[in-house]
Amino acid sequence: GQQVMQIPQYQHVQEGEDFTTYCNSSTTLSNIQWYKQRPGGHPVFLIQLVKSGEVKKQKRLTFQFGEAKKNSSLHITATQTTDVGTYFCAGPSGGGATNKLIFGTGTLLAVQP
Amino acid sequence: DAGVTQSPTHLIKTRGQQVTLRCSPKSGHDTVSWYQQALGQGPQFIFQYYEEEERQRGNFPDRFSGHQYPNYSSELNVNALLLGDSALYLCASSLSRVLSNQPQHFGDGTRLSIL
Repeated sequence: GQQVMQIPQYQHVQEGEDFTTYCNSSTTLSNIQWYKQRPGGHPVFLIQLVKSGEVKKQKRLTFQFGEAKKNSSLHITATQTTDVGTYFCAGPSGGGATNKLIFGTGTLLAVQP
Repeated sequence: DAGVTQSPTHLIKTRGQQVTLRCSPKSGHDTVSWYQQALGQGPQFIFQYYEEEERQRGNFPDRFSGHQYPNYSSELNVNALLLGDSALYLCASSLSRVLSNQPQHFGDGTRLSIL
């Protein structure tokens, strides 16, 4: 079945260092969404990428969607303690137009002040 | 503008029992999806309700069932509870739009523990 994998599973950084998580899907995706889940919280929508090769920025966060629309990345510049949490990518089941999301395995980010 | 609300926040049950979890979607949303999130895992799609019908379903047994009411609120029912059903159950709401993928707005979840 369709799988969405993320690496690394866990990353510990010093505050001010950069962080990147990579997302890979076994199928081509019509779009990819990114969510952040703080410890003890619920997933919060960050962004959606639709176009091949698309790059979007939100302050210190940069999101990319691969040319083949099977992979994506999230890069955080100069991490802060508020960035702590698990970052999930999610793609539509079967790759097409549906609200049934397949979530990635997630990357847990720990930031040491 | 009320977000997604879920009740109860925590629940403890024993094996074999039945449970009902409730969700009210974000104001203006008409589609409700339910997810199961085991500890340290990503959310797993259970099913989605729109226009009071189950529209899509994930790989979950028939013990998991649901309902959507005319006001768009929804329930998740789980029968014959197993230890493995212990998880955080998340409700997410969105707007239904044909042939598009909408961001999901999640509630705080119900933490279900099976003893």
